[in-house]
Amino acid sequence: GPKVLQIPSHQIIDMGQMVTLNCDPVSNHLYFYWYKQILGQQMEFLVNFYNGKVMEKSKLFKDQFSVERPDGSYFTLKIQPTALEDSAVYFCASSTTGAGNTLYFGEGSRLIVV
Amino acid sequence: GDSVTQTEGPVTVSESESLIINCTYSATSIAYPNLFWYVRYPGEGLQLLLKVITAGQKGSSRGFEATYNKETTSFHLQKASVQESDSAVYYCALGGHSNNRIFFGDGTQLVVKP
Repeated sequence: GPKVLQIPSHQIIDMGQMVTLNCDPVSNHLYFYWYKQILGQQMEFLVNFYNGKVMEKSKLFKDQFSVERPDGSYFTLKIQPTALEDSAVYFCASSTTGAGNTLYFGEGSRLIVV
Repeated sequence: GDSVTQTEGPVTVSESESLIINCTYSATSIAYPNLFWYVRYPGEGLQLLLKVITAGQKGSSRGFEATYNKETTSFHLQKASVQESDSAVYYCALGGHSNNRIFFGDGTQLVVKP
């Protein structure tokens, strides 16, 4: 089936540094998402993105977070600066259309902030 | 708020036994929620198992079934005879028709013994 690829699969970073998580969504998809899962907790919505803009974001999407997808490239989540509580697995997802449509997820990027 | 509660794992069953993983939801901001079961097999990304968007309807896939019960706000996952290859983590989720946010349960790890 359709695949969403995430790079890196895991990364360890010093607190205060910047990190960029990359997502290669399914090729004909137009809507992109990031979810965050802290170890032992639920997977929670961070943000969705369409047509170059953030459509909706949750309280978890702090000011230090940003997303973008320059034409033809990865859909990225950037955290600058990172904090210890940002340690989690970040899942990217994409869908063809918006509300109610099936999301296709990547395998996640495990971020450890030390 | 909007939330999902599901059977706490791990759930261990023997091959060819029947399975039920309970899921109940609360949809306070979503008038007509869509309900999903996602599954994560070992070493793979999260993928959709089945989806039901209309109350009273049943979804099925790979021998699994779930019925959208609006009266009991439930969406239990059932299978008559599990196989070892069904070992995975199963997530119940709900989403809206008019937004792209999906709320996930904690996930239930299923272990099928040969």
